[in-house]
Amino acid sequence: QQPVQSPQAVILREGEDAVINCSSSKALYSVHWYRQKHGEAPVFLMILLKGGEQKGHDKISASFNEKKQQSSLYLTASQLSYSGTYFCGTEGDNFNKFYFGSGTKLNVKP
Amino acid sequence: DTGVSQNPRHKITKRGQNVTFRCDPISEHNRLYWYRQTLGQGPEFLTYFQNEAQLEKSRLLSDRFSAERPKGSFSTLEIQRTEQGDSAMYLCASSVRQGINEKLFFGSGTQLSVL
Repeated sequence: QQPVQSPQAVILREGEDAVINCSSSKALYSVHWYRQKHGEAPVFLMILLKGGEQKGHDKISASFNEKKQQSSLYLTASQLSYSGTYFCGTEGDNFNKFYFGSGTKLNVKP
Repeated sequence: DTGVSQNPRHKITKRGQNVTFRCDPISEHNRLYWYRQTLGQGPEFLTYFQNEAQLEKSRLLSDRFSAERPKGSFSTLEIQRTEQGDSAMYLCASSVRQGINEKLFFGSGTQLSVL
């Protein structure tokens, strides 16, 4: 039930864009995105609920296609502070637990 | 809001010893999760509480692992007879659910090293 993320790693220059994908073999009720910096706890970025919505937070946005059981995170004009590992989290069908993908390591260079 | 607090931050133990970790969630949060994370991997679900009730436990968790949340406040995770494979970061997260909208707040974790 663990979602699959791709790519595993991305190296960018400041100002470049990136897309991180998350897909599940199970029906999704919501998708969460978290960012974790080295040695720190994961920090919540956004949640997307059923309805195919898109959300944005500064220059980071995400989409959720429940029919395809996929979500994508878009990082636009990346900044050095975007570096870290991004995880998508999906809810199990009993709404009791979250499964996290294995993460996408993003490295933004000057 | 003081955040989720975990103690200790680091624990080094010898194989076969018992260890206990503590998690203090955000005070108004009734849900508490334990996850385990190894290098390069995402958080792996271990167990979950709603108030004081432990509602789910991962099948990956052996009988050596036990968790409690007395009175629905702080929680403890105990590992008995530790093995080298238990070495990992143990993360606690708390939340409060509003409809199907739930946001997890993670603690900084306890890094366990079993020698």
